[in-house]
Amino acid sequence: EVVLTQSPATLSLSPGERATLSCRASQSISTYLAWYQQRPGQAPRLLIYDASNRATGIPARFSGSGSETDFTLTISSLEPEDLAVYYCQQRIRWPPTFGQGTRLEIK
Amino acid sequence: EVQLVESGGGLVQPGGSLRLSCATSGFPFRNHWMSWVRQTPVKGLEWVATIKEDGSMKNYVDSVKGRFTISRDNSKNSLYLQMNSLRLDDTGIYYCAGDGSNSPFDPWGQGTLVTVSS
Repeated sequence: EVVLTQSPATLSLSPGERATLSCRASQSISTYLAWYQQRPGQAPRLLIYDASNRATGIPARFSGSGSETDFTLTISSLEPEDLAVYYCQQRIRWPPTFGQGTRLEIK
Repeated sequence: EVQLVESGGGLVQPGGSLRLSCATSGFPFRNHWMSWVRQTPVKGLEWVATIKEDGSMKNYVDSVKGRFTISRDNSKNSLYLQMNSLRLDDTGIYYCAGDGSNSPFDPWGQGTLVTVSS
C-alpha cells in the first residue's frame, strides 16, 4: 500500500499570502495524484488531478506540481473561503490511498 | 446540476447490518465506475469499495471483504452498500463518489453517518 505523508499538519496564514502544501509518497506514483479540499461540514471536492490539472470550476489560484514521490499544492493568494483541510490521494497502485490531510487556517 | 444523495446511515449495534443508498441525478451514472469512501476518526479518508459501470467487477478494501457488498441499479441511477457484521471501527461518514478506479473520485455526495455502538 502506498503511504502518502502530508506536511505540515496545520498551516496558518493571512488572506493574500501564498500557501504551499506538500504530499510525499512512499513509492513512485508517476503523476497519478489528486488533491481534494474539504471545507468545514462539507464533503471533499476534487481540486487537482494528475498532479497539475485543475478540475472544472476550480479557481486559477490553485495549482499543483510534482511527480514520482514529491508533490505540491500551491494556493497563490489566499481567500477566506480557502479555510479547509486539503488531502492528497493516489490512484496508480491498488488500493487507492489518501494522505492524512493538511489543515489550512486563515488568520 | 450534479447531485449524489446518500441515505440509510444510522445507529447500529456491533454485529448489525445497514444498507446505504446513493441516488444520483444530473450525472451520467451508467457510464461511470462508482465508489464508496468513508471518513473515520482513526483512519481519516479511506476508500471502501468500487464497482464497474455494468456491475461486473467489484473491489473492496481488505477490512470489509466478506462483510460489505457494493451494488448498483443503472435503471435507477443508484448505488448501494450492504454492510453486515458491523464493527466499532466501521463508524464514520460514508460518501458516495464517482469513479475511483483509474480516475480520481469526482463528484462526491454529502455523506451519511454510520455509528456502530452498543
